[in-house]
Amino acid sequence: DSGVTQTPKHLITATGQRVTLRCSPRSGDLSVYWYQQSLDQGLQFLIQYYNGEERAKGNILERFSAQQFPDLHSELNLSSLELGDSALYFCASSGGNSASGEETQYFGPGTRLLVL
Amino acid sequence: ILNVEQSPQSLHVQEGDSTNFTCSFPSSNFYALHWYRWETAKSPEALFVMTLNGDEKKKGRISATLNTKEGYSYLYIKGSQPEDSATYLCALGLSGNKLVFGAGTILRVKS
Repeated sequence: DSGVTQTPKHLITATGQRVTLRCSPRSGDLSVYWYQQSLDQGLQFLIQYYNGEERAKGNILERFSAQQFPDLHSELNLSSLELGDSALYFCASSGGNSASGEETQYFGPGTRLLVL
Repeated sequence: ILNVEQSPQSLHVQEGDSTNFTCSFPSSNFYALHWYRWETAKSPEALFVMTLNGDEKKKGRISATLNTKEGYSYLYIKGSQPEDSATYLCALGLSGNKLVFGAGTILRVKS
């Protein structure tokens, strides 16, 4: 158990809908990262937050947004969902004290999203 | 865009075999190389973080090396066990702690 929690575990929804995925980082971690794992692709970095502020952005679609709250939990909002958004969405956290690329990231169990 | 290649794509070995797989990258434009182990229905678990000074890392039967000059990292498993069956991912750690992952090597160990 990494100490990172994600809810829900599974989500089934229809095209055009909007969903919110939630992540609680490990106790004491200030950085939260979101990744997407599609069937035909490896883990793709979406976005990072550090202590409530956006720190880095990857290949995140404009239909997707995220935020990190004062209690450090984070939410990933996916809107106008398309079939191709079906994927496993992981959240990870790290201490955030270093921006050097050397910090270990601890991954949550993931949310499996199926868009029908 | 950094392209991280992992080979082979999958590997089937017998219990007791030693095995190794490769992570290749085009340049040393990163800060650290990370190895993760991802078991089915679980979350990726960190194995090693390798900094650019090239030290070998070891944890039990698993070890890793990094050669930034020639652009590869090797992960070795000595005496594979069925519980080693998993997908092994490598990732480059970039500025801001962004990780760029390879597609992974799937290892299946038969008893």
